[in-house]
Amino acid sequence: NAGVTQTPKFQVLKTGQSMTLQCAQDMNHNSMYWYRQDPGMGLRLIYYSASEGTTDKGEVPNGYNVSRLNKREFSLRLESAAPSQTSVYFCASSHRDRGYDEQFFGPGTRLTVL
Amino acid sequence: SQQGEEDPQALSIQEGENATMNCSYKTSINNLQWYRQNSGRGLVHLILIRSNEREKHSGRLRVTLDTSKKSSSLLITASRAADTASYFCATARISNFGNEKLTFGTGTRLTIIP
Repeated sequence: NAGVTQTPKFQVLKTGQSMTLQCAQDMNHNSMYWYRQDPGMGLRLIYYSASEGTTDKGEVPNGYNVSRLNKREFSLRLESAAPSQTSVYFCASSHRDRGYDEQFFGPGTRLTVL
Repeated sequence: SQQGEEDPQALSIQEGENATMNCSYKTSINNLQWYRQNSGRGLVHLILIRSNEREKHSGRLRVTLDTSKKSSSLLITASRAADTASYFCATARISNFGNEKLTFGTGTRLTIIP
Protein backbone atom coordinates (compact mmCIF):
# COMPACT_ATOMS: atom_id res chain seq x y z
CA ASN A 1 0.00 0.00 0.00
CA ALA A 2 1.32 3.40 -1.00
CA GLY A 3 -0.97 5.21 1.47
CA VAL A 4 -1.58 8.84 0.43
CA THR A 5 0.36 10.07 -2.59
CA GLN A 6 0.64 13.62 -3.87
CA THR A 7 1.92 15.04 -7.13
CA PRO A 8 3.91 17.08 -7.84
CA LYS A 9 6.40 17.28 -4.95
CA PHE A 10 7.58 20.75 -5.93
CA GLN A 11 6.14 23.46 -8.17
CA VAL A 12 7.03 27.03 -9.03
CA LEU A 13 4.34 29.22 -10.59
CA LYS A 14 4.12 32.80 -11.75
CA THR A 15 1.36 35.01 -10.43
CA GLY A 16 -1.84 34.38 -12.37
CA GLN A 17 -0.95 30.88 -13.55
CA SER A 18 -3.20 27.97 -12.73
CA MET A 19 -2.41 24.46 -11.61
CA THR A 20 -3.96 21.36 -10.08
CA LEU A 21 -2.48 19.43 -7.16
CA GLN A 22 -3.30 15.74 -7.28
CA CYS A 23 -3.92 13.44 -4.35
CA ALA A 24 -4.75 9.75 -4.28
CA GLN A 25 -5.21 7.20 -1.50
CA ASP A 26 -5.36 3.43 -1.69
CA MET A 27 -6.74 2.73 1.78
CA ASN A 28 -10.43 2.82 0.78
CA HIS A 29 -11.03 5.83 3.04
CA ASN A 30 -14.24 7.78 2.73
CA SER A 31 -12.98 11.22 3.78
CA MET A 32 -10.24 13.31 2.23
CA TYR A 33 -8.78 16.72 3.12
CA TRP A 34 -6.56 19.48 1.78
CA TYR A 35 -4.45 21.58 4.16
CA ARG A 36 -1.85 24.28 3.78
CA GLN A 37 1.05 24.82 6.14
CA ASP A 38 2.86 28.13 6.32
CA PRO A 39 6.22 28.60 8.07
CA GLY A 40 5.99 28.30 11.83
CA MET A 41 2.30 27.48 11.74
CA GLY A 42 0.09 24.49 12.06
CA LEU A 43 -2.02 23.12 9.25
CA ARG A 44 -5.10 25.01 8.11
CA LEU A 45 -7.95 23.21 6.40
CA ILE A 46 -8.73 24.43 2.87
CA TYR A 47 -11.45 22.00 1.74
CA TYR A 48 -12.59 18.55 2.66
CA SER A 49 -14.70 15.77 1.21
CA ALA A 50 -16.56 13.66 3.72
CA SER A 51 -17.41 11.06 1.07
CA GLU A 52 -17.46 10.62 -2.68
CA GLY A 53 -19.75 13.27 -4.16
CA THR A 54 -19.50 15.77 -1.29
CA THR A 55 -17.14 18.66 -0.68
CA ASP A 56 -17.20 21.52 1.79
CA LYS A 57 -15.14 24.56 2.68
CA GLY A 58 -12.66 24.60 5.50
CA GLU A 59 -11.00 27.48 7.26
CA VAL A 60 -9.18 29.06 4.26
CA PRO A 61 -11.00 28.18 0.99
CA ASN A 62 -10.62 31.46 -0.91
CA GLY A 63 -8.66 31.10 -4.15
CA TYR A 64 -9.07 27.33 -4.33
CA ASN A 65 -11.44 24.78 -5.82
CA VAL A 66 -11.59 21.03 -5.31
CA SER A 67 -12.87 17.96 -7.12
CA ARG A 68 -13.55 14.57 -5.60
CA LEU A 69 -13.02 12.61 -8.77
CA ASN A 70 -13.81 9.23 -7.22
CA LYS A 71 -13.30 7.55 -3.87
CA ARG A 72 -9.51 7.44 -4.37
CA GLU A 73 -8.75 10.88 -5.77
CA PHE A 74 -9.20 14.43 -4.48
CA SER A 75 -7.64 17.33 -6.42
CA LEU A 76 -7.01 20.93 -5.44
CA ARG A 77 -7.02 23.65 -8.10
CA LEU A 78 -5.55 27.12 -8.00
CA GLU A 79 -7.24 29.07 -10.80
CA SER A 80 -5.08 32.20 -10.60
CA ALA A 81 -2.12 31.73 -8.28
CA ALA A 82 -1.06 34.55 -5.95
CA PRO A 83 2.15 34.94 -3.89
CA SER A 84 0.03 34.51 -0.74
CA GLN A 85 -0.59 30.93 -1.84
CA THR A 86 3.08 30.06 -1.47
CA SER A 87 2.94 27.24 1.03
CA VAL A 88 3.30 23.51 1.60
CA TYR A 89 0.10 21.66 0.74
CA PHE A 90 -0.84 18.41 2.43
CA CYS A 91 -3.53 15.98 1.45
CA ALA A 92 -4.95 13.57 4.01
CA SER A 93 -7.53 10.82 4.15
CA SER A 94 -9.36 9.28 7.06
CA HIS A 95 -11.66 6.49 8.06
CA ARG A 96 -13.90 6.15 11.05
CA ASP A 97 -12.55 3.54 13.41
CA ARG A 98 -13.67 3.00 17.00
CA GLY A 99 -15.69 6.21 16.80
CA TYR A 100 -13.07 8.64 15.57
CA ASP A 101 -11.27 9.64 12.40
CA GLU A 102 -7.52 9.07 12.26
CA GLN A 103 -6.05 11.07 9.44
CA PHE A 104 -3.23 9.79 7.23
CA PHE A 105 -1.13 12.39 5.47
CA GLY A 106 0.68 12.54 2.17
CA PRO A 107 4.27 13.82 1.87
CA GLY A 108 3.24 17.32 0.76
CA THR A 109 3.63 19.59 -2.26
CA ARG A 110 5.91 22.59 -1.86
CA LEU A 111 4.47 25.44 -3.97
CA THR A 112 6.16 28.75 -4.66
CA VAL A 113 4.29 31.55 -6.43
CA LEU A 114 6.51 34.31 -7.80
CA SER B 1 -8.12 31.23 13.43
CA GLN B 2 -6.14 28.42 14.98
CA GLN B 3 -8.16 26.41 17.46
CA GLY B 4 -5.17 25.21 19.44
CA GLU B 5 -2.26 27.10 20.84
CA GLU B 6 0.76 25.20 22.02
CA ASP B 7 3.57 25.97 24.33
CA PRO B 8 6.40 26.03 24.39
CA GLN B 9 7.01 26.92 20.75
CA ALA B 10 10.39 25.23 20.98
CA LEU B 11 11.95 22.84 23.49
CA SER B 12 15.48 21.41 23.70
CA ILE B 13 16.30 18.66 26.17
CA GLN B 14 18.99 16.06 26.77
CA GLU B 15 18.43 12.53 25.55
CA GLY B 16 16.81 10.47 28.28
CA GLU B 17 14.93 13.39 29.82
CA ASN B 18 11.16 13.78 29.67
CA ALA B 19 9.50 16.31 27.35
CA THR B 20 6.17 17.98 28.10
CA MET B 21 4.15 19.98 25.61
CA ASN B 22 0.90 21.81 26.31
CA CYS B 23 -2.07 22.66 24.13
CA SER B 24 -4.99 24.98 24.80
CA TYR B 25 -8.15 25.29 22.74
CA LYS B 26 -11.24 27.45 22.63
CA THR B 27 -14.44 25.53 21.95
CA SER B 28 -15.99 22.16 22.71
CA ILE B 29 -14.42 19.15 21.05
CA ASN B 30 -15.19 15.55 20.14
CA ASN B 31 -11.64 14.44 20.82
CA LEU B 32 -8.10 15.76 20.80
CA GLN B 33 -5.29 14.18 18.81
CA TRP B 34 -1.52 14.60 18.78
CA TYR B 35 0.54 14.35 15.59
CA ARG B 36 4.28 14.36 14.90
CA GLN B 37 5.94 15.94 11.87
CA ASN B 38 9.52 15.20 10.96
CA SER B 39 11.24 17.93 8.99
CA GLY B 40 9.90 18.17 5.46
CA ARG B 41 7.46 15.29 5.89
CA GLY B 42 3.75 14.76 6.40
CA LEU B 43 2.12 14.38 9.80
CA VAL B 44 1.86 11.07 11.62
CA HIS B 45 -0.87 10.31 14.14
CA LEU B 46 0.45 9.55 17.65
CA ILE B 47 -2.39 9.32 20.12
CA LEU B 48 -6.01 10.36 20.65
CA ILE B 49 -7.94 11.20 23.78
CA ARG B 50 -11.71 11.45 23.80
CA SER B 51 -13.55 14.34 25.42
CA ASN B 52 -14.78 12.09 28.25
CA GLU B 53 -11.29 10.77 29.07
CA ARG B 54 -8.75 12.38 31.35
CA GLU B 55 -5.57 10.42 30.66
CA LYS B 56 -4.26 8.02 28.01
CA HIS B 57 -1.01 6.11 27.61
CA SER B 58 0.68 4.62 24.58
CA GLY B 59 4.23 3.34 24.99
CA ARG B 60 6.37 6.31 26.06
CA LEU B 61 3.54 8.75 25.43
CA ARG B 62 1.12 10.04 28.03
CA VAL B 63 -1.60 12.53 27.17
CA THR B 64 -3.94 14.30 29.57
CA LEU B 65 -7.07 16.31 28.87
CA ASP B 66 -8.77 18.86 31.10
CA THR B 67 -12.00 19.94 29.40
CA SER B 68 -12.82 22.44 32.15
CA LYS B 69 -9.60 24.31 31.36
CA LYS B 70 -9.73 23.43 27.64
CA SER B 71 -6.18 22.17 27.75
CA SER B 72 -4.15 19.04 27.04
CA SER B 73 -0.58 17.97 27.61
CA LEU B 74 1.65 15.45 25.88
CA LEU B 75 4.47 13.84 27.86
CA ILE B 76 7.22 11.90 26.11
CA THR B 77 9.26 9.92 28.61
CA ALA B 78 12.88 8.80 28.25
CA SER B 79 13.38 10.86 25.10
CA ARG B 80 15.49 9.64 22.19
CA ALA B 81 17.26 11.45 19.37
CA ALA B 82 14.62 10.04 16.98
CA ASP B 83 11.94 12.00 18.88
CA THR B 84 13.32 15.23 17.38
CA ALA B 85 10.36 16.60 15.42
CA SER B 86 7.49 19.08 15.58
CA TYR B 87 4.45 18.04 17.57
CA PHE B 88 0.95 19.32 16.90
CA CYS B 89 -2.26 19.01 18.81
CA ALA B 90 -5.46 18.85 16.79
CA THR B 91 -8.99 19.26 18.07
CA ALA B 92 -11.72 17.27 16.36
CA ARG B 93 -15.29 18.40 15.79
CA ILE B 94 -18.02 16.73 13.78
CA SER B 95 -18.68 18.29 10.38
CA ASN B 96 -22.06 18.83 8.74
CA PHE B 97 -21.46 15.56 6.89
CA GLY B 98 -20.70 13.48 9.97
CA ASN B 99 -16.94 13.10 9.57
CA GLU B 100 -14.44 14.76 11.87
CA LYS B 101 -12.72 18.02 11.00
CA LEU B 102 -9.40 18.70 12.67
CA THR B 103 -8.11 22.11 13.69
CA PHE B 104 -4.38 22.14 14.35
CA GLY B 105 -2.35 24.09 16.85
CA THR B 106 0.80 25.99 16.01
CA GLY B 107 3.12 23.20 17.12
CA THR B 108 6.07 22.64 19.43
CA ARG B 109 9.48 22.10 17.89
CA LEU B 110 11.24 19.47 20.02
CA THR B 111 15.00 18.93 19.77
CA ILE B 112 16.66 16.04 21.60
CA ILE B 113 20.36 16.62 22.28
CA PRO B 114 22.37 13.38 22.18
